[in-house]
Amino acid sequence: EAQVTQNPRYLITVTGKKLTVTCSQNMNHEYMSWYRQDPGLGLRQIYYSMNVEVTDKGDVPEGYKVSRKEKRNFPLILESPSPNQTSLYFCASSPRIDQPQHFGDGTRLSIL
Amino acid sequence: QKEVEQNSGPLSVPEGAIASLNCTYSDRGSQSFFWYRQYSGKSPELIMSIYSNGDKEDGRFTAQLNKASQYVSLLIRDSQPSDSATYLCAVTPFTSKLIFGQGTELSVKP
Repeated sequence: EAQVTQNPRYLITVTGKKLTVTCSQNMNHEYMSWYRQDPGLGLRQIYYSMNVEVTDKGDVPEGYKVSRKEKRNFPLILESPSPNQTSLYFCASSPRIDQPQHFGDGTRLSIL
Repeated sequence: QKEVEQNSGPLSVPEGAIASLNCTYSDRGSQSFFWYRQYSGKSPELIMSIYSNGDKEDGRFTAQLNKASQYVSLLIRDSQPSDSATYLCAVTPFTSKLIFGQGTELSVKP
């Protein structure tokens, strides 16, 4: 089954404790992206990757890091999480940027 | 001006009516346009994609694109209560980003 898998689905943690949200896709897509969704602000892009070893900032990259060492994986790293990073996060992938994106089920992060 | 704008709603229509959702965008170089549906707490799912001017129909859904006026719309015919969700317009400007509007909440009343 074609899918984008995010883990964990839910996480409650404390300020400053490094965390990683994993994202994996099995569709051999070149384009992958991370979004955060907040009430009243919609979906905002954090980082995206056009292909392996190619990443770039989206609209809200501060406080986040990503890497793309393999085509299928695109982890999101919060080195020192803060409460303003409490949000619903989605990973997505597509064959190319101009084609529809497939979304993972989301990760709800709470930073206390 | 926001890059992609939608009326936040909520838009309320009776069951069986036509729901009309609108989206405007600011980048004239935009090439790809998408409508996603998102139920509360769930991930967005693709409804329609459209790339050229005109209408594109898929079942009860019709997407309309007018690049000269920089708007894209989604019509839902014979609306059902199960169509109640937030509808997200997304546009690919002349960059590698995908820009989402804030979404329009649709409520279909039985």
